[in-house]
Amino acid sequence: DGGITQSPKYLFRKEGQNVTLSCEQNLNHDAMYWYRQDPGQGLRLIYYSQIVNDFQKGDIAEGYSVSREKKESFPLTVTSAQKNPTAFYLCASSIPRGRNTEAFFGQGTRLTVV
Amino acid sequence: AQSVTQLDSHVSVSEGTPVLLRCNYSSSYSPSLFWYVQHPNKGLQLLLKYTSAATLVKGINGFEAEFKKSETSFHLTKPSAHMSDAAEYFCVVSVSGTYKYIFGTGTRLKVLA
Repeated sequence: DGGITQSPKYLFRKEGQNVTLSCEQNLNHDAMYWYRQDPGQGLRLIYYSQIVNDFQKGDIAEGYSVSREKKESFPLTVTSAQKNPTAFYLCASSIPRGRNTEAFFGQGTRLTVV
Repeated sequence: AQSVTQLDSHVSVSEGTPVLLRCNYSSSYSPSLFWYVQHPNKGLQLLLKYTSAATLVKGINGFEAEFKKSETSFHLTKPSAHMSDAAEYFCVVSVSGTYKYIFGTGTRLKVLA
C-alpha cells in the first residue's frame, strides 16, 4: 500500500540532545513537508521541500534542520537549539503543484523532552 | 494573502443530530479548500476537497461542505452525528502558486450519547 511512514511513533529526548525523526513515502510525490502541532494552535510549517536536494524554511524553522537526498525521504532533526521541542510532529507529501492537490499525512511522531 | 478561520474551537452535539463546523477563508484567488479529520494521536485524513466543479462537495463518512464565494465560507456538515465522528477537524486552504497549505486552528467535535 502507498503511504507515508513516520518513525518512531514516540520519542524521548534529553536536554541538549539532537534527535532525528524519520519520514518515508512511496507515493512518488515531489513535495514533502514537516509540521509541528501543539494543542489549540493547529499545524505550523517547519520546513518543506519541492524537489530533491532543495528545501525551504517554513514559519518556525529555528532549531530544526532537514535534508532531502532522496525523493522518498525527508528526515527532520530537532537540535538542542530548539527550546521547546515537546510536540506532535507530522510529515506530509503532495504531488507537483496544481489546483486541488491535497496533502497526504503520516501518523505522526510524539516527541517529549525528559 | 490566504488565510483560514475556524469559528469554533469546540462543538458538542448529541448522537443522531446534525453537525455544523464553520470555516471562513480569505484568498486573493479562487481558492483550493480542504477539510481534514484527526483522531487522537493520529495523522490527518482528507474528508473532502473543493474542486471548483461544484459548490456542494461530498466527502467520506457522510460529510459534505458547501463553497460560498459571496460569504467566503466553506462550512462542513453532516446530517446525523455518530459517536465515531468525535475528533478534531481542520479547514485548510492551499496557497496559490506554491506548494504550501495554511491550516485553521481546528475544531474539536464532541458527540454525546
